[in-house]
Amino acid sequence: DTAVSQTPKYLVTQMGNDKSIKCEQNLGHDTMYWYKQDSKKFLKIMFSYNNKELIINETVPNRFSPKSPDKAHLNLHINSLELGDSAVYFCASSPGTGISYEQYFGPGTRLTVT
Amino acid sequence: AQKVTQAQTEISVVEKEDVTLDCVYETRDTTYYLFWYKQPPSGELVFLIRRNSFDEQNEISGRYSWNFQKSTSSFNFTITASQVVDSAVYFCALSRGSSNTGKLIFGQGTTLQVKP
Repeated sequence: DTAVSQTPKYLVTQMGNDKSIKCEQNLGHDTMYWYKQDSKKFLKIMFSYNNKELIINETVPNRFSPKSPDKAHLNLHINSLELGDSAVYFCASSPGTGISYEQYFGPGTRLTVT
Repeated sequence: AQKVTQAQTEISVVEKEDVTLDCVYETRDTTYYLFWYKQPPSGELVFLIRRNSFDEQNEISGRYSWNFQKSTSSFNFTITASQVVDSAVYFCALSRGSSNTGKLIFGQGTTLQVKP
């Protein structure tokens, strides 16, 4: 059973389009995250939700909007895609927001904007 | 400033060599956690270890060992007798006590290539 799953795995789209990435976890965790990994492999947190409540909202363009319909799902919607949005996006989950919890990562979604 | 630095961008070794990946962190918090994650070529990140700021004991797990030294703000990772399957990108990360949001601050990653 996949603990944290993301769909799609690959996403190729044109500039200006709107797209969504879905994430689901079956670990019973309360907290979910979105990270962006750029072409140099640098990982940076974007958002975090705890029990459907937004906890972390880093300096991310407001074209990016997370949505958490329930604590097992955290989706990422991106409007008006730009070339610079090309990256790998990782979803992760943890039991809570405490600093000691390890995070479980999904397989990533490689977004390519042309 | 909260920061994690992995100065080694890429390391290449031959199988069975020992290799140490360096991690230096900066934080003003007295309570924090440090983590290591592995990202194999398949892409997903795999948790390896967690260490809290009050526990400076070194840890060994099979061929892996970790050396945490608060005096030098370092949390280094050693792989003994490396194997080709160890080839991956390794990330060190910091979770701050004052934040308590679970936010991880990652280093830049070290790409380890183990040649047969």
